Amino acid sequence: SQQGEEDPQALSIQEGENATMNCSYKTSINNLQWYRQNSGRGLVHLILIRSNEREKHSGRLRVTLDTSKKSSSLLITASRAADTASYFCATDTGGGNKLTFGTGTQLKVEL
Amino acid sequence: DTGVSQDPRHKITKRGQNVTFRCDPISEHNRLYWYRQTLGQGPEFLTYFQNEAQLEKSRLLSDRFSAERPKGSFSTLEIQRTEQGDSAMYLCASRPSSGSAGELFFGEGSRLTVL
Repeated sequence: SQQGEEDPQALSIQEGENATMNCSYKTSINNLQWYRQNSGRGLVHLILIRSNEREKHSGRLRVTLDTSKKSSSLLITASRAADTASYFCATDTGGGNKLTFGTGTQLKVEL
Repeated sequence: DTGVSQDPRHKITKRGQNVTFRCDPISEHNRLYWYRQTLGQGPEFLTYFQNEAQLEKSRLLSDRFSAERPKGSFSTLEIQRTEQGDSAMYLCASRPSSGSAGELFFGEGSRLTVL
């Protein structure tokens, strides 16, 4: 079953604009992670935020976490055509670090 | 760089046939996970191993599915008597059981098409 839902399901922007994706989840978590998936490929880990953290940065990525609202957002700044991919949030609720993935946001960055 | 390796990358089979997928994790990773992903959805957890022990299985893993990791290194996922509903991407991931925050390292997946 999917733990989280991402919003929007699809997002189309111009190169250079910022892209924001949101993730909502249902149960308490140890950490929340974001992954990227190019079409037909495996997933690549982008960033992890622990339950006691509120914001984290990595390069052009900024992640926020609001555990009271059970939600997270991923901001990609100054997007590039190469950022075109699907982005998934995944929650770690403990018990073997099994991750439960959301439904994903399809991002398209146009030149 | 020897990441997670999956074989075959693509498999087309007829309904009722058996198929087997292999996953070679990153060598020092003792946890190995199998996920299934259908078109337009996120990956869904199937099962995971710590070394050779299978520690958890999802209810998605019907009796037709079996996974093994006999020596705690590579793993196989077998689907018997395939059905059209088994068509999906089967993803393998690995991680060390300690010393990392919890991110998974995924392979490129094995895409199954059941005709």
